[in-house]
Amino acid sequence: DAGVTQSPTHLIKTRGQQVTLRCSPKSGHDTVSWYQQALGQGPQFIFQYYEEEERQRGNFPDRFSGHQFPNYSSELNVNALLLGDSALYLCASLAWADPYNEQFFGPGTRLTVL
Amino acid sequence: RKEVEQDPGPFNVPEGATVAFNCTYSNSASQSFFWYRQDCRKEPKLLMSVYSSGNEDGRFTAQLNRASQYISLLIRDSKLSDSATYLCVVKDMGNTPLVFGKGTRLSVIA
Repeated sequence: DAGVTQSPTHLIKTRGQQVTLRCSPKSGHDTVSWYQQALGQGPQFIFQYYEEEERQRGNFPDRFSGHQFPNYSSELNVNALLLGDSALYLCASLAWADPYNEQFFGPGTRLTVL
Repeated sequence: RKEVEQDPGPFNVPEGATVAFNCTYSNSASQSFFWYRQDCRKEPKLLMSVYSSGNEDGRFTAQLNRASQYISLLIRDSKLSDSATYLCVVKDMGNTPLVFGKGTRLSVIA
């Protein structure tokens, strides 16, 4: 049973560029949430996708956008990258019908913006 | 005031010691409570859920005080392998996001 997978594992970009990160949820899960974890901080919620729609959004600017595909996988896009976007980006999956069950995190994508 | 507050540490303790972490949360509507463990440069993993009656899992004991909006984690007989960052997490009802504290760093020393 594959867990949550994310790609790529590491990424280096320069300011102003755009980036796309990918996530495949755990088998049986249909909901994907994205979190940003800056160095020395706890993960911060970006947004959540279910049934290919953004269901909830944290306090992040419109430069952060996402998408969910019919197979439940998801993408996080960040436009006009800033130095402050350097962080570990985590994807978590769960089943929408069981919101109190454990959310499983992927290994993350470490983004460095130069 | 931050939603979830933790002492960032680091806590440096010898093997075999007992160590306690505390956490406070500001949202009285929070319904679910957890401790996650995060190893260096890895993803967070659920250590244990926290219930009002308190719960224990081996060397780990978690307590919740809803009136004081306070959560604790006690680790007994610390092992070198317990070295990690411990994240206090709360959640509202339904399909709402996890809200993390900054984490408390623990180093267990031989």
